[in-house]
Amino acid sequence: RKEVEQDPGPFNVPEGATVAFNCTYSNSASQSFFWYRQDCRKEPKLLMSVYSSGNEDGRFTAQLNRASQYISLLIRDSKLSDSATYLCVVPGQDRKLIWGLGTSLAVNP
Amino acid sequence: ETGVTQSPTHLIKTRGQQVTLRCSSQSGHNTVSWYQQALGQGPQFIFQYYREEENGRGNFPPRFSGLQFPNYSSELNVNALELDDSALYLCAKSTAGVAETQYFGPGTRLLVL
Repeated sequence: RKEVEQDPGPFNVPEGATVAFNCTYSNSASQSFFWYRQDCRKEPKLLMSVYSSGNEDGRFTAQLNRASQYISLLIRDSKLSDSATYLCVVPGQDRKLIWGLGTSLAVNP
Repeated sequence: ETGVTQSPTHLIKTRGQQVTLRCSSQSGHNTVSWYQQALGQGPQFIFQYYREEENGRGNFPPRFSGLQFPNYSSELNVNALELDDSALYLCAKSTAGVAETQYFGPGTRLLVL
């Protein structure tokens, strides 16, 4: 298994749709997980942190399944402005961060 | 927004040349990480500096080197540039103990011809 692996994209959804991304990780000792958002030609920005079973912030919900070693990001009521690449980040050895390749989301009118 | 700045924003070099990229922040984040992000890829960890010492390194050759200064600004140096070094180079600041929360600068786009 790769250290961090994300759903292949791109995801094309209509406005208002609910969309979910999965991310699997190999380091069973990881305690914290992160979702970053990256707009085209911009730097990544922290979207959510997950330290326990999950986290919710408005339309965004992150869930952690330690037994299966995956985390998911759920976006409800998609907006056009949600169009971006979503990067899954997991601490690897020595707490260095391992980044997934990202999942591209396009929300269409 | 993050208070992290990078310079230059864009750069074009030729194979074999050397380049220095710079990163600074308004606040005193004492940990800086450098990443390379190729087109269509996630960021790849190059190295991290804490209190002016290298504090971890990814799978990058020695021609990638760095410095962190007492004012927490930082440099990334790349010698003997190769075509595959063309990428977005991101600097991220964090605070020791919360290293996972990274505040990124806008990046430097390097093109090697």
